[in-house]
Amino acid sequence: AQTVTQSQPEMSVQEAETVTLSCTYDTSESDYYLFWYKQPPSRQMILVIRQEAYKQQNATENRFSVNFQKAAKSFSLKISDSQLGDAAMYFCAYRDSNYGGSQGNLIFGKGTKLSVKP
Amino acid sequence: EPEVTQTPSHQVTQMGQEVILRCVPISNHLYFYWYRQILGQKVEFLVSFYNNEISEKSEIFDDQFSVERPDGSNFTLKIRSTKLEDSAMYFCASSEYNNYGYTFGSGTRLTVV
Repeated sequence: AQTVTQSQPEMSVQEAETVTLSCTYDTSESDYYLFWYKQPPSRQMILVIRQEAYKQQNATENRFSVNFQKAAKSFSLKISDSQLGDAAMYFCAYRDSNYGGSQGNLIFGKGTKLSVKP
Repeated sequence: EPEVTQTPSHQVTQMGQEVILRCVPISNHLYFYWYRQILGQKVEFLVSFYNNEISEKSEIFDDQFSVERPDGSNFTLKIRSTKLEDSAMYFCASSEYNNYGYTFGSGTRLTVV
């Protein structure tokens, strides 16, 4: 079964600095999707960035970028120019690319709590 | 931007009572999901729903739970005979066919007392 591991329960970064959140996963599939979700204190799950496993190029969304290492099964999130509003719980998630007639379910890691210091 | 809407935002219920959590997915989405997050723990998959039937369910989704799409717009999760351990945040999500992105709702916090 697929698993997702986030080894950093908590991280802290100074405002305007850069921080990297780690995620590793285990799968026997060759094609899949990876996601980072942000969960602020409001508890809503907000999609930050996604990566298709067949794409070698790392995904980027404004200040957020990933380092996708398929062979190492690693998918880290880099947040540049950190802002106070980035403070939240960050979840890494995995999904198979093709799952019968449905989109398949997401498998989440336990999350990393990011604090941003002014 | 289209949203997934969940109601109520917070529900308090007595142990043993039945609750219905409601969700309005994005209108052109075809796949619907329920996830659960017990406080301080990771988000867990409950069930996926497509073409008016359950397409996948986790071991958490036992006979106590049911889902339905009664009117073509709402997507509901019913929990019969609630237990204290059902207290959690329940998230609804939807996705478009051939679109691997999910949109989550803002969740319903269920408290069983």
